[in-house]
Amino acid sequence: ETGVTQSPTHLIKTRGQQVTLRCSSQSGHNTVSWYQQALGQGPQFIFQYYREEENGRGNFPPRFSGLQFPNYSSELNVNALELDDSALYLCASSRASGSFPYEQYFGPGTRLTVT
Amino acid sequence: AQKVTQAQTEISVVEKEDVTLDCVYETRDTTYYLFWYKQPPSGELVFLIRRNSFDEQNEISGRYSWNFQKSTSSFNFTITASQVVDSAVYFCALSEASGGSNYKLTFGKGTLLTVNP
Repeated sequence: ETGVTQSPTHLIKTRGQQVTLRCSSQSGHNTVSWYQQALGQGPQFIFQYYREEENGRGNFPPRFSGLQFPNYSSELNVNALELDDSALYLCASSRASGSFPYEQYFGPGTRLTVT
Repeated sequence: AQKVTQAQTEISVVEKEDVTLDCVYETRDTTYYLFWYKQPPSGELVFLIRRNSFDEQNEISGRYSWNFQKSTSSFNFTITASQVVDSAVYFCALSEASGGSNYKLTFGKGTLLTVNP
């Protein structure tokens, strides 16, 4: 069984640029959630995708957007990067949402540095 | 609004000591779910346990045990006979049923556990 994978591992961008992060979900999972983890903090929920549609969003501005593809992989896009966007971005996959919160399995993350 | 507090920022113990990580949560829901995750230096969060609000039975898994007390809104995690490999950041998280079907996780700030040989 293949786990959650993310790419790239590390990324350095300049303020104002745009970035795309990628995530492949674990086999059998059709739900993907994205979290931002600043240094020394717990992960914060950005949004979740289920069946290619956004299914809930945290307190993040619209310049954070995402996609989910038919194979359940996902992208996180961030426009107009700011210094505060520097963080570890974690992707988590799980079985379908609905009436029960199946455990979320996390990828290794993408470390984004904005200079 | 839901909130998770892990008051212990860092804990340092010597191998074979028992250690308890505290977690206090706030929620208005009667149905909710509590989780513990481990984050080793590699960065990947590892799922340890999920607990439903309607099941207060404590759980033991090997050297790990969890004490869920609704009366004090706490979900504490104990490692018995700690080992160096237990060194990591441990996160407690909460998910509410009323949050819709996305069951987003609200995490605490984590506790850094260092087990010294």
